[in-house]
Amino acid sequence: GENVEQHPSTLSVQEGDSAVIKCTYSDSASNYFPWYKQELGKRPQLIIDIRSNVGEKKDQRIAVTLNKTAKHFSLHITETQPEDSAVYFCAASIGGSYIPTFGRGTSLIVHP
Amino acid sequence: DVKVTQSSRYLVKRTGEKVFLECVQDMDHENMFWYRQDPGLGLRLIYFSYDVKMKEKGDIPEGYSVSREKKERFSLILESASTNQTSMYLCATSGGNSPLHFGNGTRLTVT
Repeated sequence: GENVEQHPSTLSVQEGDSAVIKCTYSDSASNYFPWYKQELGKRPQLIIDIRSNVGEKKDQRIAVTLNKTAKHFSLHITETQPEDSAVYFCAASIGGSYIPTFGRGTSLIVHP
Repeated sequence: DVKVTQSSRYLVKRTGEKVFLECVQDMDHENMFWYRQDPGLGLRLIYFSYDVKMKEKGDIPEGYSVSREKKERFSLILESASTNQTSMYLCATSGGNSPLHFGNGTRLTVT
């Protein structure tokens, strides 16, 4: 089955800095890569996703890049703000399947 | 907006009790999931269902069972609760190879 590795497990940055979270996956058949943000005490919510037919996608301060050859994808957050502090999960799912495999999560802390 | 409702936010049960966690969705999604969330371990899939009366084991099904008698409702059952099942339980739904929509979670404590 699919295996998703996520790094780092904890990331601490100063407000205004950029943050990058990286994930690798094992199955080259995976074609859908969502990212979820979970604020303290709340449910995980989708913040951005990418499918394997594109290499990059942006939404304001967040972007996701995908390298199919290397089988890794990354979340980039620019101009971080304290409200970006949360746990971020990456996931990958194989074409035709609807079952995502999650990374273990990254706790992002943005210091004011 | 998709609504996924879990019946309890917090639950305290005794060892050996039978525990029911209920999840209801209002978006007519085919797929429903039960995850367990523990610090440092991320989201681990317990069971999922892709249709009424259909169920499939996830990565950690031991000690759990599920029921899906109606499309909108997916129940997680702990046949005999144990202390190592103390955790946050998250229900989720999806309409295919698309994003998951999560409920608010049930924090279960087994004493």
